[in-house]
Amino acid sequence: KNEVEQSPQNLTAQEGEFITINCSYSVGISALHWLQQHPGGGIVSLFMLSSGKKKHGRLIATINIQEKHSSLHITASHPRDSAVYICALNTGNQFYFGTGTSLTVIP
Amino acid sequence: EPEVTQTPSHQVTQMGQEVILRCVPISNHLYFYWYRQILGQKVEFLVSFYNNEISEKSEIFDDQFSVERPDGSNFTLKIRSTKLEDSAMYFCASSGQISSYEQYFGPGTRLTVT
Repeated sequence: KNEVEQSPQNLTAQEGEFITINCSYSVGISALHWLQQHPGGGIVSLFMLSSGKKKHGRLIATINIQEKHSSLHITASHPRDSAVYICALNTGNQFYFGTGTSLTVIP
Repeated sequence: EPEVTQTPSHQVTQMGQEVILRCVPISNHLYFYWYRQILGQKVEFLVSFYNNEISEKSEIFDDQFSVERPDGSNFTLKIRSTKLEDSAMYFCASSGQISSYEQYFGPGTRLTVT
């Protein structure tokens, strides 16, 4: 049973394109995290959401608690955005991770 | 900018040996976590730690594993009697005032069990 489902699994975009990565989940959460994993393996936290919408630079994350769905948007994508983007749930006593979306942005 | 550090970056050990993975969380953080990622697989939660005790653990975190904060700065993960399937990247993370705050991840320790 997968508590977290991400789509798409893989995504290739041209530089400048608007990108959307989706995350659906099936459990109650206290927070949802979007993480970025670089090709070298390091993990960076992008957002922590419990409701609504957050924006950092070209990144926007939204969450709909009723629909158990979150999206990560990247505006004006750039090759340096190429990475694996991971949706992770904090249920209050457990953490569940999605399998990640591998994004490649082509110049 | 403060960061989480982990040592060693790569540890090779023989099956059956004990290993200790070390992490130095961000100094004013109160919650600490260990995760692992087997090559090609998703990240998995192992354990969270607060106020000098385990607050939550996953099914993976059995008696083979233990965590400790021995000196107020280091946070360690001990794996006893390592098995081949323990080979993975192990990430430490810390977060601030409450557990649902943003987590800061260390660079990871790659454990290879031969």
